[in-house]
Amino acid sequence: GENVEQHPSTLSVQEGDSAVIKCTYSDSASNYFPWYKQELGKRPQLIIDIRSNVGEKKDQRIAVTLNKTAKHFSLHITETQPEDSAVYFCAAARGGNKLTFGTGTQLKVEL
Amino acid sequence: DVKVTQSSRYLVKRTGEKVFLECVQDMDHENMFWYRQDPGLGLRLIYFSYDVKMKEKGDIPEGYSVSREKKERFSLILESASTNQTSMYLCASKKAGLQFYGYTFGSGTRLTVV
Repeated sequence: GENVEQHPSTLSVQEGDSAVIKCTYSDSASNYFPWYKQELGKRPQLIIDIRSNVGEKKDQRIAVTLNKTAKHFSLHITETQPEDSAVYFCAAARGGNKLTFGTGTQLKVEL
Repeated sequence: DVKVTQSSRYLVKRTGEKVFLECVQDMDHENMFWYRQDPGLGLRLIYFSYDVKMKEKGDIPEGYSVSREKKERFSLILESASTNQTSMYLCASKKAGLQFYGYTFGSGTRLTVV
């Protein structure tokens, strides 16, 4: 089955800096890669996703890049703000199948 | 707005009890999932269901079972609760046939087994 590894497990940045979270996956047939943000005490919420036929996708301050050859994808957050502090999860799936999640990254944005 | 509702936010149960965790979604989604969330381990899939009466084992099904008698409801059952099942349990749902579409999660049930 699919295996997703996520790094780093914790990340601390200064407000205004950029943050990058990286994930690798094992199943070359995976073609859908969403990212979820989970604020303290709340449910995970989808913030951005990318399909395997796309190399990069942006939505305001967040972007995701995908390298199919290397089987890794990354989340980039620019101009970080305190409200970006949360746990971020990457995930991968083949077609409409179940998602396999990474182990999560605790992002802390310091003032 | 899709709503996935988990019946309990917090539960405390005793070792050996049979525990039912309920999840209801109101958007006619075919696919439903149960994950458990533990620090450092992320979200691990326990069971999922692609439609009514259907169920499939996920990555960590031992000690759990599920029931999907109605499309909107997916129940997770701990047959005999143990302390190592103390965790946050998250239910999620998704419309079938949509390949590139994420899940909608419930708010979670934090279960403590004493």
